[in-house]
Amino acid sequence: GAVVSQHPSRVICKSGTSVKIECRSLDFQATTMFWYRQFPKQSLMLMATSNEGSKATYEQGVEKDKFLINHASLTLSTLTVTSAHPEDSSFYICSARVGDLNTEAFFGQGTRLTVV
Amino acid sequence: GQNIDQPTEMTATEGAIVQINCTYQTSGFNGLFWYQQHAGEAPTFLSYNVLDGLEEKGRFSSFLSRSKGYSYLLLKELQMKDSASYLCAVMDSNYQLIWGAGTKLIIKP
Repeated sequence: GAVVSQHPSRVICKSGTSVKIECRSLDFQATTMFWYRQFPKQSLMLMATSNEGSKATYEQGVEKDKFLINHASLTLSTLTVTSAHPEDSSFYICSARVGDLNTEAFFGQGTRLTVV
Repeated sequence: GQNIDQPTEMTATEGAIVQINCTYQTSGFNGLFWYQQHAGEAPTFLSYNVLDGLEEKGRFSSFLSRSKGYSYLLLKELQMKDSASYLCAVMDSNYQLIWGAGTKLIIKP
């Protein structure tokens, strides 16, 4: 299957700093990538849908100025958590869909963010 | 509203069979996915159903009834490594994935 690489897998940062998470499709072009966050023992929650070359579409309740998404190329999308706070500590996962709209989504490995 | 229901937790014995149910109410339907997620890891794809019936893939099978808004994931010959959360997700009319909360499956020797 297609490979999505997410980096870093774990990051610890100080409150008030910014953290960038990268999501790369290694062997295919992803016109659309999705960013999720997952709190312990909870379901995946879609944060935003990222389309190459255009602004991301954010879900209701997600602060677009806090969670900056850039999808500059067909193989790379980034999520920047700006001015991180302890409540932003979570598991962030990206996924990419190949081709048709209802094909399976491939997930990155996820990033465990801890803000201290 | 849109809703996906699946049991929170199930326990089964190594070597046995377990069925994880999923019921859904969504605005439109463009397929149902099952994912496996081990603790601390991202989900991995297991199956996709868009037509009614049973899809078999090795030890795992997935069933769909669109008229009943119902699916199940059947795991046979359970192994300890099958201990994980199993996520049911439905793609709605806008091609957005609606996720269930996941079923934590505990396998006992």
